[in-house]
Amino acid sequence: AQTVTQSQPEMSVQEAETVTLSCTYDTSESNYYLFWYKQPPSRQMILVIRQEAYKQQNATENRFSVNFQKAAKSFSLKISDSQLGDTAMYFCAFSTNTDKLIFGTGTRLQVFP
Amino acid sequence: NAGVTQTPKFQVLKTGQSMTLQCAQDMNHEYMSWYRQDPGMGLRLIHYSVGAGITDQGEVPNGYNVSRSTTEDFPLRLLSAAPSQTSVYFCASSYSAWGVGGGYTFGSGTRLTVV
Repeated sequence: AQTVTQSQPEMSVQEAETVTLSCTYDTSESNYYLFWYKQPPSRQMILVIRQEAYKQQNATENRFSVNFQKAAKSFSLKISDSQLGDTAMYFCAFSTNTDKLIFGTGTRLQVFP
Repeated sequence: NAGVTQTPKFQVLKTGQSMTLQCAQDMNHEYMSWYRQDPGMGLRLIHYSVGAGITDQGEVPNGYNVSRSTTEDFPLRLLSAAPSQTSVYFCASSYSAWGVGGGYTFGSGTRLTVV
């Protein structure tokens, strides 16, 4: 069975600093996608970044980047120059070409001024 | 461009009542799914559909029914509500199970309380 593990229930960071959220996953598939979703207090699920497993280059989206280590089954999210608006729950998720999107339990990130 | 529309946004039910959570998307996505979100447990998949007329169970299907008669709509039915079904429910859609072409699009959620 595929699983996604986020070992940090809560994190905090000061504004303008950098923070890294951890995610590990387990699968026997060779092709899959990995995602980070942000859920602010509004409850809306917002796609932050995604990574295709067959691409070695780490994905980046402005201040957000990932460190994808396929052999270690690790997919961490780095947020640079943290902003107050980054305060949210962050979910790591995984999907294959056959079926469902599976989520981790989430990391609550608080950005302090 | 509505994306994924979920109704209602809030609902209170009494134990044993039935109701349907509505989900509609206007992006011609084949893949649709329902999740429930509970504190400390992330989002867990209830049911999903890879196209009209095709549905399958996810991780926590008990107590819920779905059908997919059109590409656009994927309603979730609670036949006899129980307090354990108190949760926030999300509908999501995607071009495919891969989530390519923009990933999964989520509705704004339904907060359901069963008393």
